[in-house]
Amino acid sequence: DVKVTQSSRYLVKRTGEKVFLECVQDMDHENMFWYRQDPGLGLRLIYFSYDVKMKEKGDIPEGYSVSREKKERFSLILESASTNQTSMYLCASSLFWEEAFFGQGTRLTVV
Amino acid sequence: DAKTTQPPSMDCAEGRAANLPCNHSTISGNEYVYWYRQIHSQGPQYIIHGLKNNETNEMASLIITEDRKSSTLILPHATLRDTAVYYCIVSRKDDKIIFGKGTRLHILP
Repeated sequence: DVKVTQSSRYLVKRTGEKVFLECVQDMDHENMFWYRQDPGLGLRLIYFSYDVKMKEKGDIPEGYSVSREKKERFSLILESASTNQTSMYLCASSLFWEEAFFGQGTRLTVV
Repeated sequence: DAKTTQPPSMDCAEGRAANLPCNHSTISGNEYVYWYRQIHSQGPQYIIHGLKNNETNEMASLIITEDRKSSTLILPHATLRDTAVYYCIVSRKDDKIIFGKGTRLHILP
């Protein structure tokens, strides 16, 4: 079975903390993506990556950064977490957008 | 911004075919139509995609109009497990995928 694994299902962090959300895929996919999902706003693209060490901003990159040092791992970093970053975060991977596979999501609460 | 328009919600009786419409009147020649769905509390799941020909797989059929300005996803025999939000997305194969609001499909027993 193909798999995209996100490190945590639920996470609670304090305002101002540096937060790392990890995503690992086992399909040797070039493309990896980070989305956030909020009620009424749907899924919004934060960052994506077409290759190792390569990244592109999505629609809402402010307050986030990413790291892709290895092909299978794509990390989303909240440099200084704020309450408006409380959300469901979804990672995905794909091979040339034939079919994107999503992880189960990380529900992050910033208090 | 999403390039598609979908009804916010639809109902379908269990066992009947569910037909989900999508308008994409500004689609370009090199853009594909993708469908995903998201069952509550799960990540989105790919269903099917197409360029201009109709497509069918084990999950669904995709009917694209000749002018490519609209399409319909067909779930031939809907079950309760098909209750989900269905997203119609238009994108080039080498481009990012932008999700719209989707259609919330309720399968009625």
